Amino acid sequence: DIVLTQSPATLSLSPGERATLSCRASQSVRRDLAWYQQKPGQAPRLLIYDASNRATGIPARFSGSGSGTEFTLIISRLEPEDFAVYYCQQRSYWPRTFGQGTKVEIK
Amino acid sequence: EVQLVESGGGLVQPGRSLRLSCAGSGFKFDDYGMHWVRQAPGKGLEWVSGISWNGRNIGYADSVKGRFTISRDNAKNSLYLDMNSLRPEDTALYYCAKDIASDRGDFQHWGQGTLVTVSS
Repeated sequence: DIVLTQSPATLSLSPGERATLSCRASQSVRRDLAWYQQKPGQAPRLLIYDASNRATGIPARFSGSGSGTEFTLIISRLEPEDFAVYYCQQRSYWPRTFGQGTKVEIK
Repeated sequence: EVQLVESGGGLVQPGRSLRLSCAGSGFKFDDYGMHWVRQAPGKGLEWVSGISWNGRNIGYADSVKGRFTISRDNAKNSLYLDMNSLRPEDTALYYCAKDIASDRGDFQHWGQGTLVTVSS
């Protein structure tokens, strides 16, 4: 199975700062990678698909990049509502797999 | 508006069975792949199973293979998960998720989940 390793586990930042989240795959998943945001008590929300395409309604401060085994999600300027847990997920292989998550918390 | 409503969760003893259902509305159900994703209390997301729009392409996580069966009834706009030989480690909130397309494997819309608790 493809293992997705996210780093860091926790990111402590202030509103207005830039957040950089990483996701590394155990083998190439091409660009078949998505990012999700999950807030407490809520279902996950799709942010980015195919490594760099923003989903419908996602603000431009969210951007994704990467291919193969290295991927990055950047939140250019953190808004209060962006503090949440973020997951990457690959669809290149069965079974589909998620990373363990990165928590972005208020510093 | 896309809506996914899960049902069928509850408290069940180890070794017993349970059937989850997901009713979809607000979109053409038979155009999209569908999935089950679970989240154990305080833990991350785990993909459980997925099925293509026509039911021909199906996959399972290793942790449930041989015990869980996914199916769909496009005439009823419904997705199902038959869970057998349940274990305490199957305890989780089970989400139904709609694929971005017919058989892509990423999840554009999610339900609110149904809680399954496996305990004696």
